[in-house]
Amino acid sequence: DAKTTQPPSMDCAEGRAANLPCNHSTISGNEYVYWYRQIHSQGPQYIIHGLKNNETNEMASLIITEDRKSSTLILPHATLRDTAVYYCIVRVARGSTLGRLYFGRGTQLTVWP
Amino acid sequence: NAGVTQTPKFRVLKTGQSMTLLCAQDMNHEYMYWYRQDPGMGLRLIHYSVGEGTTAKGEVPDGYNVSRLKKQNFLLGLESAAPSQTSVYFCASSYPGTGVRSNSPLHFGNGTRLTVT
Repeated sequence: DAKTTQPPSMDCAEGRAANLPCNHSTISGNEYVYWYRQIHSQGPQYIIHGLKNNETNEMASLIITEDRKSSTLILPHATLRDTAVYYCIVRVARGSTLGRLYFGRGTQLTVWP
Repeated sequence: NAGVTQTPKFRVLKTGQSMTLLCAQDMNHEYMYWYRQDPGMGLRLIHYSVGEGTTAKGEVPDGYNVSRLKKQNFLLGLESAAPSQTSVYFCASSYPGTGVRSNSPLHFGNGTRLTVT
């Protein structure tokens, strides 16, 4: 699976949009981009994933560049409960590699009042 | 729908003792996984299972054994605990890696914090 690069930390004011970047310059054509987050002392929580097109769900939006070498997770209206470590993961969706996720160090997002 | 449930939540062992960590999921997922998380190391896959009665080794399997006797349960055993096994252990489950749900995400439990003295 392709490795990813994320800033170690970011902060955001409550109610504002949080934009978390991720570089995955070695991504292959069949690799998806996944985002998870981990709130202190809890298990990782799935947020969103995508292949080429931008995606949106009730939690967030995922913007993937046209060359697929980077992506941005957008939390449109950050709340204090969004304070967590956010992990960007790139992996092949099919086959035996499923589950072998490389989480890296992620980005510590701190939302302040 | 409880998702993925891990028991116990906390445990302290002495070196050489044994224990079993239990993971239960109620989402009818075929695949289940055990990870450990250590500071600065991210999550590392210990063992995984692609179905009832099957298990396979992950990145760091030494010192651990697993069993998947029932589809909903995945057990992680430590036969002779060592201080190096002090960690937070996470269980996860997912749909299979093939077919229409092949890109489905993993669902994690809230972890077991194990200390070996």
